[in-house]
Amino acid sequence: AQSVTQLGSHVSVSEGALVLLRCNYSSSVPPYLFWYVQYPNQGLQLLLKYTSAATLVKGINGFEAEFKKSETSFHLTKPSAHMSDAAEYFCAVKDSSYKLIFGSGTRLLVRP
Amino acid sequence: GAVVSQHPSRVICKSGTSVKIECRSLDFQATTMFWYRQFPKQSLMLMATSNEGSKATYEQGVEKDKFLINHASLTLSTLTVTSAHPEDSSFYICSAIRQGTSYEQYFGPGTRLTVT
Repeated sequence: AQSVTQLGSHVSVSEGALVLLRCNYSSSVPPYLFWYVQYPNQGLQLLLKYTSAATLVKGINGFEAEFKKSETSFHLTKPSAHMSDAAEYFCAVKDSSYKLIFGSGTRLLVRP
Repeated sequence: GAVVSQHPSRVICKSGTSVKIECRSLDFQATTMFWYRQFPKQSLMLMATSNEGSKATYEQGVEKDKFLINHASLTLSTLTVTSAHPEDSSFYICSAIRQGTSYEQYFGPGTRLTVT
């Protein structure tokens, strides 16, 4: 069965600093992995996805993630945080059907 | 694009009444739609999978008689919370998979339900 673990329920960075949000997955099949962002009282917006092509995936808003099979990780990074990046971030893995299994989420706080 | 809308965005209802939430795919046809529930500061919990023209498949622990799902067309799925109680208050989010694709879900903006 597939599962996702997000380390750190809260991450706080200064504006302009590196953002690193951690995601580890468990999957019995080659995984499809996703990062979503959620702003307060809104739905989810897809940041990026890994579907077994390039291991370094670039997404919207300057985010990127690297798929590391040996570490079963798919961490999300952004070189320089912006105040508008403050939100909740969810990592997800597609299971063997079409359902998404979500991690518990990480709230990103950006300090001025 | 692939836009999914939900209506209403917010609803307040009295305990014991029923409320219907609509999920529409605006610019694509969706063979499969999903309904999620999200409690404050928590992740999304899948409630059910809705396929056009067939009965919804509910996740374990979700009362199908309480949360009625209808997927009457390729662009519309509805969730009806029957005999609502305060504990049903939550943020409900739908998503849709574009017909012809197999995995990418497009999410609606969510509906905040408050039961008084």
